[in-house]
Formats: sequence, structure tokens, C-alpha cells
Amino acid sequence: DTAVSQTPKYLVTQMGNDKSIKCEQNLGHDTMYWYKQDSKKFLKIMFSYNNKELIINETVPNRFSPKSPDKAHLNLHINSLELGDSAVYFCASSPTGTGTEAFFGQGTRLTVV
Amino acid sequence: SQELEQSPQSLIVQEGKNLTINCTSSKTLYGLYWYKQKYGEGLIFLMMLQKGGEEKSHEKITAKLDEKKQQSSLHITASQPSHAGIYLCGADAQHDKIIFGKGTRLHILP
Repeated sequence: DTAVSQTPKYLVTQMGNDKSIKCEQNLGHDTMYWYKQDSKKFLKIMFSYNNKELIINETVPNRFSPKSPDKAHLNLHINSLELGDSAVYFCASSPTGTGTEAFFGQGTRLTVV
Repeated sequence: SQELEQSPQSLIVQEGKNLTINCTSSKTLYGLYWYKQKYGEGLIFLMMLQKGGEEKSHEKITAKLDEKKQQSSLHITASQPSHAGIYLCGADAQHDKIIFGKGTRLHILP
């Protein structure tokens, strides 16, 4: 049973397209995150949701929009994809946003061509 | 499947003391990364190790990757309250996977 699952694992798409990455956690956690790992392996937090409410929204382009239909799901929708969006995107969850470790999904490797 | 095991899961040390956190894999790692998560915040990249036997330092934090590239240790010298948080190791594993440990929660007592 995968605790945090992301789909798809790989995504290759053309510039200008709109795509979504899905994330689901079956741990009953209250907080979910989206991270972007760039080519230098830095993990940058993009969004954080706690009980369906956005609590962190770092400086990311408006083309990125998180959607959380319920606290077990946090999807990432990206409009008008650009070459610079190519990266590995990680979803994670934690019991609460403070003082607890995060459980990560396997990552989605996005390549924009 | 390949996994990263971190130990200990939780660590409480007196300010000024040294400490070590370990990250172990059953198979060869192709790149090992250490991150720190401050309470209530996102992950902060600390350092990356790629070569067997490699050692890197940043301020009072030193990370090593063993010769077999299956184990890494993170050592903090003269710990300070600012070192408190959750330390997470991540790695490039076989078959193009990226995996993470479960994290080590570090508390520093004044």
C-alpha cells in the first residue's frame, strides 16, 4: 500500500500544453505539499495545504494552480507549460504542518519539449 | 524495493554537544542529498554527495558518503538551538527513482 502516490510518474509534453499531476495520500494526514526539485537537486516548496486550505504559496507563476478536493488529495495543474517547468515534482504529506516529518511520493518527472 | 533508513528517528541533545544522524540503503546510491526541515516550514537543501568517500562541510555540519555509497552520516558539531528541526536524506536510486528517508527529528535542549 503506497502511502503517498503520484501520477503520472513520467510526463513528456509540448510547450503551451496544460497538464495535471495527481497526488493522493492514505495516511490520514492533514497537510499536503508540492515541491519542485530543480536540476541542482534543490527542493523548493511550492504549495502547502492544511485541511483543504492553502497555507503556503511561495512565489510561483500563476500558471501553477493547486487543487485539493479533499484532504487526501492535492493535485497540481499547470497551464501553458514552458521549457523551464521541466523538473521533478514531489508531493508530500505530514500529520500537521508543525514539528512532524513529511512522507514523500515517488515524484513526477516532467519534461517540456 | 530500495529504501533509505534513517537513524535515529528522534534525537534530543544538550546544546553544545555533537551528534550524528545516519542514512543507510541496501543498494548503491548514485547521489545522496541531505535536507533540513524547520518546524512548520519547507525543506532546505544542505548538501549533496556523489562520490564514494566524499565528505562535505557547511558551517558546523559535515556529511560523509561511505566508499560503497550505501551509507551516509550527518554530523553536527557543538549543536545550537538553530540546528533543531527534521533532517531528511534523499537519494538517486536504481531504475531512475528518487527516494527519501523518513526523517530524523532533532531537539536541542538549552
